[in-house]
Amino acid sequence: GQNIDQPTEMTATEGAIVQINCTYQTSGFNGLFWYQQHAGEAPTFLSYNVLDGLEEKGRFSSFLSRSKGYSYLLLKELQMKDSASYLCAVPIYNQGGKLIFGQGTELSVKP
Amino acid sequence: DVKVTQSSRYLVKRTGEKVFLECVQDMDHENMFWYRQDPGLGLRLIYFSYDVKMKEKGDIPEGYSVSREKKERFSLILESASTNQTSMYLCASSPPTGPGNTIYFGEGSWLTVV
Repeated sequence: GQNIDQPTEMTATEGAIVQINCTYQTSGFNGLFWYQQHAGEAPTFLSYNVLDGLEEKGRFSSFLSRSKGYSYLLLKELQMKDSASYLCAVPIYNQGGKLIFGQGTELSVKP
Repeated sequence: DVKVTQSSRYLVKRTGEKVFLECVQDMDHENMFWYRQDPGLGLRLIYFSYDVKMKEKGDIPEGYSVSREKKERFSLILESASTNQTSMYLCASSPPTGPGNTIYFGEGSWLTVV
């Protein structure tokens, strides 16, 4: 079966660094996505990892370990606008573009 | 720019009413999806379609049906709305399967059934 776990909520301080973890169990693997979702808005794409290691994109980085079924999203130099829900998602193997999502991690950035 | 448009942002319907949620994408994507999002449950797939007139059930299809008569349009139908279908509904589209082919979401439709 397929399963994704993320912490429900996290709090961090403006300017700090925060790491949001995601563990997954899938039959087959086609990569892992991270999305950001602000309250009342649609999720927007942040990153995609299919190989092990760290992918950096400005203040955001995403890490993948396929052997451990583990990923994290790293946010540096936190800003108030980073307060949002962060969703981890994996494609269902051999089922087209279907994604299954974790419950999302609600990040609150405090001044 | 990528665009997925959902026709209604906020709807209030009565129990037993038939409800149509419309979604249009302008990216010529083959795949289209309907998810619902509820607090504590995350995004759950209702139905998806990988081609015109093709549809497949997702994880929670009960109480819903879909229609895809044209490639760009995917409609979600609640045949007889019930209060437990009060939720936020997200339409999405994506290109065919391929590494890193992400899905793009519409703005969401907030449905309240009273």
